[in-house]
Amino acid sequence: AQSVTQLGSHVSVSEGALVLLRCNYSSSVPPYLFWYVQYPNQGLQLLLKYTSAATLVKGINGFEAEFKKSETSFHLTKPSAHMSDAAEYFCAVSQGGFQKLVFGTGTRLLVSP
Amino acid sequence: KAGVTQTPRYLIKTRGQQVTLSCSPISGHRSVSWYQQTPGQGLQFLFEYFSETQRNKGNFPGRFSGRQFSNSRSEMNVSTLELGDSALYLCASSLQADYNEQFFGPGTRLTVL
Repeated sequence: AQSVTQLGSHVSVSEGALVLLRCNYSSSVPPYLFWYVQYPNQGLQLLLKYTSAATLVKGINGFEAEFKKSETSFHLTKPSAHMSDAAEYFCAVSQGGFQKLVFGTGTRLLVSP
Repeated sequence: KAGVTQTPRYLIKTRGQQVTLSCSPISGHRSVSWYQQTPGQGLQFLFEYFSETQRNKGNFPGRFSGRQFSNSRSEMNVSTLELGDSALYLCASSLQADYNEQFFGPGTRLTVL
């Protein structure tokens, strides 16, 4: 069964610093990978998705992620953190032609001034 | 275009009761999925409906059920509520039943006392 692992339940950065949130996947076939963001008391918003078209995926709000098959990774990055980026981020994998997403445990991003 | 709407947003029930949650997908979307989010278990897939048919089901007891109507609106029902059913229940819709991105609603916060 497919799964994702997010390293670090909390990541703290200063405003303007690089954001790096880690996600590793486990899949026997090419996966479809997603990053979602959740702000307090809200649902999930899609940041970006990988569907095998390109290994470097650009998303909303300046985020991007690179699919690395050799490392089974799909890490999320942003060159310069903003205070508004403080939220919880979830990596997810989908496989099998169904709308079933398997989520990681989430990483809470804290941004300090 | 209106997003995914879920009603009610907050709900308080007591053990043993049953509850019905409603989800209206984005207009034109035919696939609806449900997820449970708890601090302990994270985000877990409940089930997915497409064209009024349940296509996939997660690992939840039979107390959890759902259905989809001809207008794509969906309901989920939980019978004989337990304290552990307290969670944020998220609904997501997508245009069709493949790897398209899912759009999430704000969720229904269920508290079981």
